[in-house]
Amino acid sequence: QVQLMESGGGVVQPGRSLRLSCAASGFTFSSYGIHWVRQAPGKGLEWVAIIWYDGSNKYYADSVKGRFTISRDNSKNTLYLQMNSLRAEDTAVYYCARDWGASGVRGYFDSWGQGTLVTVSS
Amino acid sequence: DIQMTQSPSSLSASVGDRVTITCRASQSITTFLNWYQQKPGKAPKLLIYAASSLQSGVPSRFSGSGSGTDFTLTISSLQLEDFATYYCQQSFSTPITFGPGTKVDIK
Repeated sequence: QVQLMESGGGVVQPGRSLRLSCAASGFTFSSYGIHWVRQAPGKGLEWVAIIWYDGSNKYYADSVKGRFTISRDNSKNTLYLQMNSLRAEDTAVYYCARDWGASGVRGYFDSWGQGTLVTVSS
Repeated sequence: DIQMTQSPSSLSASVGDRVTITCRASQSITTFLNWYQQKPGKAPKLLIYAASSLQSGVPSRFSGSGSGTDFTLTISSLQLEDFATYYCQQSFSTPITFGPGTKVDIK
């Protein structure tokens, strides 16, 4: 069955960097767009970024543009989120989510990981 | 950016009740509207995609309708396991945006 497992979360000081990973299994990873979605404590869902199946296109929320970079290694069935210049408002559970299609355009998120918590605090 | 609103923000209902949640987009999104259910401490789960298509494995008591800017999620007969928070999401254009959520709890 489809499985997504995030890792790499933790406590980090403001201004520092962190890289999240999302390991995929149970499906042909290289055929699907994958998203990052986050949820601040007690708050709603916020879409962060999407990367196309082949890594050719990436889109970001304005709140993270220029600071976060989404990437993937299809040979390792793994998605990444490099987070730089972290701020307190980036504190959240970060989920990876599979799109139904290859590009993540006009689709839906049909499988989610369990999430990894990132806390930005001094 | 397309703004999504939901009403109500919370509701209390009893087992067996019919529950309707409304979602509105700030501009037309045709039928690129999805619904998710989230329970505390868990990842969201897809219920409805493309406004009215039931995701595989989701009970038939869940249904969705609407197009353009106005959408509804209906639970025909609320069950204990349905007490959760529900989010709508538009995928018509990036940035993808979610509604603020509707919390359904036990009356």
